[in-house]
Amino acid sequence: EPEVTQTPSHQVTQMGQEVILRCVPISNHLYFYWYRQILGQKVEFLVSFYNNEISEKSEIFDDQFSVERPDGSNFTLKIRSTKLEDSAMYFCASLGQPNQPQHFGDGTRLSIL
Amino acid sequence: QQQVKQSPQSLIVQKGGISIINCAYENTAFDYFPWYQQFPGKGPALLIAIRPDVSEKKEGRFTISFNKSAKQFSLHIMDSQPGDSATYFCAASQKNAGYSTLTFGKGTMLLVSP
Repeated sequence: EPEVTQTPSHQVTQMGQEVILRCVPISNHLYFYWYRQILGQKVEFLVSFYNNEISEKSEIFDDQFSVERPDGSNFTLKIRSTKLEDSAMYFCASLGQPNQPQHFGDGTRLSIL
Repeated sequence: QQQVKQSPQSLIVQKGGISIINCAYENTAFDYFPWYQQFPGKGPALLIAIRPDVSEKKEGRFTISFNKSAKQFSLHIMDSQPGDSATYFCAASQKNAGYSTLTFGKGTMLLVSP
């Protein structure tokens, strides 16, 4: 079964540094998402992306965050100047058609020191 | 109004028993209600989903019951097994949003004792 793959599985970064989280969505999917999950808390929506532009973003997704689909396969989340509170699991998801299930990757654990 | 409230926070069930997790929502525009299962170190994986035009959906040992008037839905796991021990999230999305952004509940940690 096709999978969403995320790299790296664990990223440790100094506060204030830039970090890029990478995702390869399922190949024929058109909608892409980033979610985050702070340890022990619920999964929270960050941003959705369709047709090479952001379609929706949450209050969490401020100017420090950006997303990009640099080629036909990768989907990236960049945090420009990381803060301690950015420490979380970041999940990428993709879906083929609206109201079909979103498929999640296994996440990147981001630890900010 | 966008919240999905989930209970209980944690649940311990004997092997062979029934696990029941409940969720409630406020936004009447929600029209797709999936349940996700998450094992430690893994991403959420779709378990079962329901739309509001039916009151129940069953897939194997997993059943969703949906009460549209009460704006509640629940997951029942029959004959619970130790391998079902995981965190379960209910979620909701609305078709008119076009892009199916999911709003998650806070999750339920299920432990099935042998």
